[in-house]
Amino acid sequence: DTAVSQTPKYLVTQMGNDKSIKCEQNLGHDTMYWYKQDSKKFLKIMFSYNNKELIINETVPNRFSPKSPDKAHLNLHINSLELGDSAVYFCASSQDVWGGLGNEQFFGPGTRLTVL
Amino acid sequence: RKEVEQDPGPFNVPEGATVAFNCTYSNSASQSFFWYRQDCRKEPKLLMSVYSSGNEDGRFTAQLNRASQYISLLIRDSKLSDSATYLCVAPDTGRRALTFGSGTRLQVQP
Repeated sequence: DTAVSQTPKYLVTQMGNDKSIKCEQNLGHDTMYWYKQDSKKFLKIMFSYNNKELIINETVPNRFSPKSPDKAHLNLHINSLELGDSAVYFCASSQDVWGGLGNEQFFGPGTRLTVL
Repeated sequence: RKEVEQDPGPFNVPEGATVAFNCTYSNSASQSFFWYRQDCRKEPKLLMSVYSSGNEDGRFTAQLNRASQYISLLIRDSKLSDSATYLCVAPDTGRRALTFGSGTRLQVQP
């Protein structure tokens, strides 16, 4: 059983389009995250949700909107895609809010987004 | 100063070698740290937690020096399968998030 799953795994799209990435975790965790990993491999947090409540909302363009219908799901919708949005987007989850000691973050397999 | 800073490498070592990576962090309030491993085109996975002055898990030893604000990861008897990028991670208690370093790439050669 996959603990944290994301769909799609690959996403190739044109500039200006709107797309969504879905994430689901079956670990019973309360907290979920979205990270962006760019071409330089820097992994940066974008958003975190705890029990459907937004906890972290980093300085990302408001074209990015997370949605958490329940604590097992955290989706990411991106409007008006730009070339610079090309990256790998990882979803993650942890039992408690910030994934400290004894509170490991589990990552999904990533969604490789390419904007043409 | 970056919150978490690592030497990007790559570190190219022969099988059986001992290799060490260092990482510095800026938030002196951080209490525990982590090393994550990321294989090429895969997701990061927790390798070790680092707390107190350090801990050991098989061939892997992590050490923490709070006075100098650095963490190290020592890998003994390197295997080909150890080839990966190792991410140093520190908690940002203010934001309730983890801050990831940019990673150190290790290539173990036969």
